[in-house]
Amino acid sequence: AQKVTQAQTEISVVEKEDVTLDCVYETRDTTYYLFWYKQPPSGELVFLIRRNSFDEQNEISGRYSWNFQKSTSSFNFTITASQVVDSAVYFCALSASSISKLIWGLGTSLAVNP
Amino acid sequence: GAGVSQSPSNKVTEKGKDVELRCDPISGHTALYWYRQSLGQGLEFLIYFQGNSAPDKSGLPSDRFSAERTGGSVSTLTIQRTQQEDSAVYLCASSLAGGPETQYFGPGTRLLVL
Repeated sequence: AQKVTQAQTEISVVEKEDVTLDCVYETRDTTYYLFWYKQPPSGELVFLIRRNSFDEQNEISGRYSWNFQKSTSSFNFTITASQVVDSAVYFCALSASSISKLIWGLGTSLAVNP
Repeated sequence: GAGVSQSPSNKVTEKGKDVELRCDPISGHTALYWYRQSLGQGLEFLIYFQGNSAPDKSGLPSDRFSAERTGGSVSTLTIQRTQQEDSAVYLCASSLAGGPETQYFGPGTRLLVL
């Protein structure tokens, strides 16, 4: 079975704090892809990153970084020096080679307070 | 280039009426997805199109829901005899192909059934 778990329902931080959003996945496929999306208060889902199962290199994009660890089936997302504009719901998703659709986590609502 | 567009952006209807929601995918994207997101909830998969065919319609909640796609482009989601529990944001996404390709989302249609 395919499953994505985002155990943190809500996180609240103060601006400039670092914050890590956890994502744990389950799949029996050896080829799969992991995604992170951001949904700001405006509601539109914004694609952040796509990573395949053969690439365990960490990714950094500005203040955003992603830590992919196959050994723990995790694909965690860290925001460094958070800003109020980072306030949003963040979704982790899995696409396995045996299925045609994304499997979504329930999302983590991040509030960054000034 | 243009992103995914959806219309209408908001729809208020009375219980029992039929509604049609439209999605224009990114040009050249062969895969199209419909999701539903209730207030404060995650994404609920409804249906997946590859071209004009729907190989996965497992998420449609009842036979009141139907969808079609014509010309490998525009898709229409129809809800017949709407119920109050149909109130939600209906999101459309498209991707270059199915499976692991990145899905790009439209702004959604907010449906309110009174």
